[in-house]
Amino acid sequence: LAKTTQPISMDSYEGQEVNITCSHNNIATNDYITWYQQFPSQGPRFIIQGYKTKVTNEVASLFIPADRKSSTLSLPRVSLSDTAVYYCLVALSNDYKLSFGAGTTVTVRA
Amino acid sequence: DTEVTQTPKHLVMGMTNKKSLKCEQHMGHRAMYWYKQKAKKPPELMFVYSYEKLSINESVPSRFSPECPNSSLLNLHLHALQPEDSALYLCASSQDRNQPQHFGDGTRLSIL
Repeated sequence: LAKTTQPISMDSYEGQEVNITCSHNNIATNDYITWYQQFPSQGPRFIIQGYKTKVTNEVASLFIPADRKSSTLSLPRVSLSDTAVYYCLVALSNDYKLSFGAGTTVTVRA
Repeated sequence: DTEVTQTPKHLVMGMTNKKSLKCEQHMGHRAMYWYKQKAKKPPELMFVYSYEKLSINESVPSRFSPECPNSSLLNLHLHALQPEDSALYLCASSQDRNQPQHFGDGTRLSIL
């Protein structure tokens, strides 16, 4: 499983855009990039998944450069309720294993 | 509300007790997972069941015994646990290998 590196923590204010960059230098050809969000005392929640270029859904965007050695999760106009730990994962398309990195604690302030 | 239901939400047990954790999903997912999460740490994979058969055991001690009675249910039987086994135990399911995993909110386990 490819190792991921992301910032330990990030602070932001309500209404701002938050961008979290994840490094995955040894990503393999068949690996997908997936992001999960976790609130205290809850299980992780799937946010977004991508393979290359850009993916957007109703809550976030995922930007993946051509070399795929990094990815950036973008959370537009965050609110206090977006305060959580965000995990970047790289997983094989034909494997069940998910290996969580340390995650990024995002704190949104009023 | 989560689509993966775990019971109980909290469990306190002694080191000689036998207890079971239960996980249920009705999304028709064919893969189910057990994770262990210590405080302020990421989840760690323990077991994976695929089509009701044990597919992955991440070298978990035998005092943890998983069981998949049918495609909707996943149990984790606990026996002779140690204090360091105190953690949040998370269950997850997915449609298949490369599909996003849906997590329950876990069972908070405390070993006395």
